[in-house]
Amino acid sequence: NAGVTQTPKFQVLKTGQSMTLQCAQDMNHNSMYWYRQDPGMGLRLIYYSASEGTTDKGEVPNGYNVSRLNKREFSLRLESAAPSQTSVYFCASSVVHPSYNEQFFGPGTRLTVL
Amino acid sequence: QKEVEQNSGPLSVPEGAIASLNCTYSDRGSQSFFWYRQYSGKSPELIMFIYSNGDKEDGRFTAQLNKASQYVSLLIRDSQPSDSATYLCALTRGSTLGRLYFGRGTQLTVWP
Repeated sequence: NAGVTQTPKFQVLKTGQSMTLQCAQDMNHNSMYWYRQDPGMGLRLIYYSASEGTTDKGEVPNGYNVSRLNKREFSLRLESAAPSQTSVYFCASSVVHPSYNEQFFGPGTRLTVL
Repeated sequence: QKEVEQNSGPLSVPEGAIASLNCTYSDRGSQSFFWYRQYSGKSPELIMFIYSNGDKEDGRFTAQLNKASQYVSLLIRDSQPSDSATYLCALTRGSTLGRLYFGRGTQLTVWP
């Protein structure tokens, strides 16, 4: 099993360009998440999808859109990139249980916006 | 006040010592608590979770939860240089079961 995979691993954009970050999981998890991580800020949730067909905003959704393409895939789109979106982006997936929620993380995408 | 507060560190301990990492939270409805370890340049990985008051031990790691005082801690006994990483505290809340709320992390360095 590959677990959670993300593409690309690295990306450099110019201000105003658009791009889509791809994420896929092969663990049959219902829930998927997109986070960004900036130095000293921990992980901040951008969007999440509790199940196929549903998406919800997290803590920092402005400037992003998501698509839950199917149970396996959850993509994150930047329509018009800004330097403030320079960050490391992590995708995660999980099975949600009332008392337990282990999230498995992908390797991350390092995005620089010039 | 952020939902999950951690000492930002860095925390530095000698090899073989006990490292103590602390986390406090603001929502009394928080249900389950997690400790993730993140090596530099890598993604977070789960090392412990706890949802009942008291201690939970797994090898050299012990998680402690006190819901009345709203804190959770992670003790690492016999610390090794390979434990050097950032440790992230996270929790779930009853109202948003699937979400994890993360602290900013504490950077731990174990020196030989």
